[in-house]
Amino acid sequence: QKEVEQDPGPLSVPEGAIVSLNCTYSNSAFQYFMWYRQYSRKGPELLMYTYSSGNKEDGRFTAQVDKSSKYISLFIRDSQPSDSATYLCAMSARISSASKIIFGSGTRLSIRP
Amino acid sequence: DAGVIQSPRHEVTEMGQEVTLRCKPISGHDYLFWYRQTMMRGLELLIYFNNNVPIDDSGMPEDRFSAKMPNASFSTLKIQPSEPRDSAVYFCASSSVGTEPLDNEQFFGPGTRLTVL
Repeated sequence: QKEVEQDPGPLSVPEGAIVSLNCTYSNSAFQYFMWYRQYSRKGPELLMYTYSSGNKEDGRFTAQVDKSSKYISLFIRDSQPSDSATYLCAMSARISSASKIIFGSGTRLSIRP
Repeated sequence: DAGVIQSPRHEVTEMGQEVTLRCKPISGHDYLFWYRQTMMRGLELLIYFNNNVPIDDSGMPEDRFSAKMPNASFSTLKIQPSEPRDSAVYFCASSSVGTEPLDNEQFFGPGTRLTVL
């Protein structure tokens, strides 16, 4: 079993829809949870991070962490064609640069105009 | 800053050949990471350096893979001999160090797409 599981999709939704992306994990030591966005032929870019459980909002994006269920989510409101990308969840036990980050395999998202 | 620079962007080689991938991290960053991304296995950490010293190479798949960082502005990942199963996108990333989460953000390069025939 992988430490981090993520549905690869692809997921296709119409512009303006609410998108929900999810990951599950097995290692209870994970404390920091991140979402990266990767456009085609580019490297991943950090989109959001959260610490422990709870919600964090940044514009149209909301990240949720439920440590009791070992489940994290990313919601995108009013989705735009420019949101079309692969979204990777990632997590680590500590936030330091020396802490290994474990990535999900990524969900490919397409927003139809 | 130009960000993390990787070369070449694409590499096509034949099985058995030596492949060298290059990376220039962001100036001032203390950490450098090499990742491999495939459809089957996702994004995997191969090795990382701190202040040019290899810290954790447990992700290096086998002895055919080696990485060096001779100075703070340059690193190489070498595969010798290459095999078709090494075909993947190889990313280099760098980060600084600090007490706040975003201080440790990893910045990724554009990747090198390697095809071994």
